[in-house]
Amino acid sequence: QKEVEQDPGPLSVPEGAIVSLNCTYSNSAFQYFMWYRQYSRKGPELLMYTYSSGNKEDGRFTAQVDKSSKYISLFIRDSQPSDSATYLCAIEIQGGKLIFGQGTELSVKP
Amino acid sequence: EPEVTQTPSHQVTQMGQEVILRCVPISNHLYFYWYRQILGQKVEFLVSFYNNEISEKSEIFDDQFSVERPDGSNFTLKIRSTKLEDSAMYFCASSGDTYEQYFGPGTRLTVT
Repeated sequence: QKEVEQDPGPLSVPEGAIVSLNCTYSNSAFQYFMWYRQYSRKGPELLMYTYSSGNKEDGRFTAQVDKSSKYISLFIRDSQPSDSATYLCAIEIQGGKLIFGQGTELSVKP
Repeated sequence: EPEVTQTPSHQVTQMGQEVILRCVPISNHLYFYWYRQILGQKVEFLVSFYNNEISEKSEIFDDQFSVERPDGSNFTLKIRSTKLEDSAMYFCASSGDTYEQYFGPGTRLTVT
């Protein structure tokens, strides 16, 4: 079983929609979870950082961790065309080593 | 806002040549990392570095790779003898006292 799995999409939504992006992971010992946004041929940009379980909100973005299901989610409210990018989940597994999901390509249509 | 910078943005080299990719991490960060991303694939961890030592390295990071912090601001990745399969985007990242890693814009390495 892969350590982190993410549906690659692509996902296309109309402007203003609520977007739900998800990843599953294999090891219940993982504690640190991140979401990055990556535009084409650019570096990943840190969006959200969560420790352990629960929700974290920042503006239109909410990160959610369900450790019992080994499931992490990123919700984007009132999505905008500028949110069109690839969204990567990442999990810290040991000594700062991040394992990334495949990335979900999101397109928000005006 | 402080950011990680990388040079060059694009490097073209011939197979068998040595390349050095350079990074300037965020100034008060202590942990440094290199990742790579082959076109269309996942971002992959290569190595982490703290207190002038390698903390973790992946299977990819073999004897052809080395890292160095030659002064108080730069962090470098050297590939001794490049192969075609080393063609990728290479990202440097840094973090402070949490695991929040901030990535640079990347160096696109093309090996011909």
